[in-house]
Amino acid sequence: DGGITQSPKYLFRKEGQNVTLSCEQNLNHDAMYWYRQDPGQGLRLIYYSQIVNDFQKGDIAEGYSVSREKKESFPLTVTSAQKNPTAFYLCASSTTYQQGYTFGSGTRLTVV
Amino acid sequence: EDQVTQSPEALRLQEGESSSLNCSYTVSGLRGLFWYRQDPGKGPEFLFTLYSAGEEKEKERLKATLTKKESFLHITAPKPEDSATYLCAVLNAGNMLTFGGGTRLMVKP
Repeated sequence: DGGITQSPKYLFRKEGQNVTLSCEQNLNHDAMYWYRQDPGQGLRLIYYSQIVNDFQKGDIAEGYSVSREKKESFPLTVTSAQKNPTAFYLCASSTTYQQGYTFGSGTRLTVV
Repeated sequence: EDQVTQSPEALRLQEGESSSLNCSYTVSGLRGLFWYRQDPGKGPEFLFTLYSAGEEKEKERLKATLTKKESFLHITAPKPEDSATYLCAVLNAGNMLTFGGGTRLMVKP
């Protein structure tokens, strides 16, 4: 079945470490997105990519980095510059003309 | 800048007690309004897309409606399994989604 796979489901980071969250899709979607969700809040856009080898900053890109070397993959790195990284991270994808996004099951990142 | 406001933030209902969730929006070039259901610790699950004012969509106990400024998600005779957070989002002319803060629905038996 087609879908979006995020891994790991849970991730723990020590202060000062960089960590990378994986997002893979087999839907043949052109665009991919990363969102952050804090408890009781809506989704905030971190980065998005509408085509391979190109990506744009969203509303809260500081402290994060991404790459889009393959259509299927859009990994997110949470760097040590992100001061409050504890959150639930969601990856999504869409086709150029699709009305709506398909979401992965999320990665919960906790700083220890 | 596109904006989406959902109300109430939380809603407690008794099983069978019908109610409505509100989503008010401003957007540049509305291409669609979306409703998603999100269970704790999971990604949002697509429910409905509405494209123009006056449009309605139904699925089991849920009915979504759309005007030029807001959308309602009506829940008829809810059951405990309807408990979740319901997210509203608008898609603009640039194919970007803006989400509201969500309404956390709790249905007690």
